Amino acid sequence: AQSVTQPDIHITVSEGASLELRCNYSYGATPYLFWYVQSPGQGLQLLLKYFSGDTLVQGIKGFEAEFKRSQSSFNLRKPSVHWSDAAEYFCAVADTGTASKLTFGTGTRLQVTL
Amino acid sequence: KAGVTQTPRYLIKTRGQQVTLSCSPISGHRSVSWYQQTPGQGLQFLFEYFSETQRNKGNFPGRFSGRQFSNSRSEMNVSTLELGDSALYLCASSLSEVGQPQHFGDGTRLSIL
Repeated sequence: AQSVTQPDIHITVSEGASLELRCNYSYGATPYLFWYVQSPGQGLQLLLKYFSGDTLVQGIKGFEAEFKRSQSSFNLRKPSVHWSDAAEYFCAVADTGTASKLTFGTGTRLQVTL
Repeated sequence: KAGVTQTPRYLIKTRGQQVTLSCSPISGHRSVSWYQQTPGQGLQFLFEYFSETQRNKGNFPGRFSGRQFSNSRSEMNVSTLELGDSALYLCASSLSEVGQPQHFGDGTRLSIL
């Protein structure tokens, strides 16, 4: 069965600093990978997705992620964090291209200090 | 374009009762999936409906059921509520085409007393 690991439960960064959130997946075939963000009391907003092609994908709000098959990783990055980026971030994998059943990691809570 | 709409946003029930949650997908989306989010178990897939048929199912007891209507709107029902059913229930819709992701609603917060 597929699984997703987000090793960092909580990360604190200063505003303006760079950010990298880690995600490792376990899946035998070609994975379909996603990053979602959740603000308190809200649903999940899609940041970016990887289905195929270029392994460096760009998303909204200045985020990007790199798919590394050899490391089974899909880490999320942002060069300069803004205070409004404070939220919980979830990495997810789907076993089909239609992505109708997602397996999520446990999430990483990002705190941004001013 | 309107997003995924879930109603109600908040619900309070007592043990043993049943509850129905509603989800209206983005216009044109035919796939609707449901997830349960709790602090202990995280985000877990419940089931997916496509063209009024359940296409995928997660590992939840039979007390959890759903249905989808011809206009793609979906309902989720939980019978004989237990304290452990307290959670945020999220609905997501998609075009169900390769490369198209799921889009989530803001969820229904269910509290069981």
